[in-house]
Amino acid sequence: DTAVSQTPKYLVTQMGNDKSIKCEQNLGHDTMYWYKQDSKKFLKIMFSYNNKELIINETVPNRFSPKSPDKAHLNLHINSLELGDSAVYFCASSQFSASSTDTQYFGPGTRLTVL
Amino acid sequence: GNSVTQMEGPVTLSEEAFLTINCTYTATGYPSLFWYVQYPGEGLQLLLKATKADDKGSNKGFEATYRKETTSFHLEKGSVQVSDSAVYFCALRGAYSGAGSYQLTFGKGTKLSVIP
Repeated sequence: DTAVSQTPKYLVTQMGNDKSIKCEQNLGHDTMYWYKQDSKKFLKIMFSYNNKELIINETVPNRFSPKSPDKAHLNLHINSLELGDSAVYFCASSQFSASSTDTQYFGPGTRLTVL
Repeated sequence: GNSVTQMEGPVTLSEEAFLTINCTYTATGYPSLFWYVQYPGEGLQLLLKATKADDKGSNKGFEATYRKETTSFHLEKGSVQVSDSAVYFCALRGAYSGAGSYQLTFGKGTKLSVIP
């Protein structure tokens, strides 16, 4: 069974569209994250949720809106897509948010291409 | 703030060569340190971690030692294989100092290619 899963794996869309990426974890973890990996492989945190509550919200355009219907799911909705949003988006989860030793487990990524 | 600096790639080695990927960090307090690996077309997997000074993390023949005096966590492997070809990320998770401070901070990644 996949621990952290994301759908879709690939997403190709036009500028200006609205799209969503879904993430689910079956590890029973309390905390989930969204990361963006740019074309140079640089990874940066976007959001973190702990038990459905937002705890990290980095400087991300408000076109990006995370939603956590329950602690096993964290979806990412993106409005008015722009060319610069093209990237690979990774979901991750960890048992705790308030622990520096805790391991984060990553999903396989969603490659978003905006044309 | 926290930051991680790792050596620029790409690194190309012959099979059975010795590997070192340097990683240094800046953080307040006592962070935990991690190496993640990303194989082509896949997500990140934890390779190893160390949570306190002088700890050595090891997995699949890879090792890294948490050196507080040099703020380093260099990744080493004695004999690389073609299957080790991947991008390697050094990361730290810092001590709590406010909301969000337990987030992972990544280095820019080092691409390793191992040729037969």
